[in-house]
Amino acid sequence: EAQVTQNPRYLITVTGKKLTVTCSQNMNHEYMSWYRQDPGLGLRQIYYSMNVEVTDKGDVPEGYKVSRKEKRNFPLILESPSPNQTSLYFCASSLSEVRINTGELFFGEGSRLTVL
Amino acid sequence: SQQGEEDPQALSIQEGENATMNCSYKTSINNLQWYRQNSGRGLVHLILIRSNEREKHSGRLRVTLDTSKKSSSLLITASRAADTASYFCATGISSGGYQKVTFGTGTKLQVIP
Repeated sequence: EAQVTQNPRYLITVTGKKLTVTCSQNMNHEYMSWYRQDPGLGLRQIYYSMNVEVTDKGDVPEGYKVSRKEKRNFPLILESPSPNQTSLYFCASSLSEVRINTGELFFGEGSRLTVL
Repeated sequence: SQQGEEDPQALSIQEGENATMNCSYKTSINNLQWYRQNSGRGLVHLILIRSNEREKHSGRLRVTLDTSKKSSSLLITASRAADTASYFCATGISSGGYQKVTFGTGTKLQVIP
């Protein structure tokens, strides 16, 4: 089954404790992206990756890091989480943002993060 | 910054009625997509309309696009309780050689049985 898998789905942590949210897709998609969703603000893009070893900042990258060492994985790293990073996080993937003018994104089920 | 703004923010209708949601955006786009999100779940792609298209249908969904007004609407006909969800428009624009997809703030639809 084609899917985007995120882990963990729920996490409560404390300020400053490094954490990683993993994302994996099995569709051989080139493009992957992280979003955060906050009430009243919709989805805002954190980082995206056009392909292996190619990443770039989205609209709200501060406090986050990403890496793309393999095509299927795109982990989101919070080096020193703070309470304002409490949010619902989504990973998404797409075949290609350039080659095909569709941009249809496939989303994971979300990771709800609480930073105390 | 938000490219798309949905209207209304929330909508409550009776089962069987039609639901209309609107999306306005600010800059020229390549396409516009609509997504659905069940409470706290991942978004699911519903339909895409390209900038040179004016109307598109998919089952009970009808999407229109007016590039002169920079607006789109999503019509769900004969709504069902299972249509209860949040609906987001997402604009696709060219940016540095790739297509950037930007989401609006969403319309929360409640369909009452």
